[in-house]
Amino acid sequence: SQQGEEDPQALSIQEGENATMNCSYKTSINNLQWYRQNSGRGLVHLILIRSNEREKHSGRLRVTLDTSKKSSSLLITASRAADTASYFCATVISSGSARQLTFGSGTQLTVLP
Amino acid sequence: DGGITQSPKYLFRKEGQNVTLSCEQNLNHDAMYWYRQDPGQGLRLIYYSQIVNDFQKGDIAEGYSVSREKKESFPLTVTSAQKNPTAFYLCASSITLNQPQHFGDGTRLSIL
Repeated sequence: SQQGEEDPQALSIQEGENATMNCSYKTSINNLQWYRQNSGRGLVHLILIRSNEREKHSGRLRVTLDTSKKSSSLLITASRAADTASYFCATVISSGSARQLTFGSGTQLTVLP
Repeated sequence: DGGITQSPKYLFRKEGQNVTLSCEQNLNHDAMYWYRQDPGQGLRLIYYSQIVNDFQKGDIAEGYSVSREKKESFPLTVTSAQKNPTAFYLCASSITLNQPQHFGDGTRLSIL
């Protein structure tokens, strides 16, 4: 199975509410990245958190990383209809392999106006 | 504006035909990647290139080929050996390996 797995697979909330998505992974990582994908478009990088960091913020986004639990969460505060998209976590492993980002299958977020 | 451009947006392939997907970037990035995305799925790595004239197989390279003769360009050929080529193909680039990736808007390939 894939290195990163998002949970839930789908999330539907009202505008103004907070949205939380989780990502679990299996092996030690160098960094973990979150991406957003609007329907039919390419992915857009949101935030990168390194293995020695526990929390990062970017605007309405807050990412946490718990390496002991091999998990990360993405919080979007005060959500807007425009936040509707798929959100993916991607991990870069620490093994020294030249392999690249490994993506999870994503969380489909729907923000209802 | 710097960016990454994929063409065409839609592509149709006949049985037994090879098709080539274009990917060009003007971000001066060393690393480039090709991913395949199936409906409702995440991305799977086909090939990547760390630097000009070098490329490596990803997780699902069978039935695909690439070249990296120029820093700006990383075309992907879907050969007739790829039996299930219908998918959304995404090209990406990054300054170096493992750095945040910039993506193109994809090419949707279908079989006639």
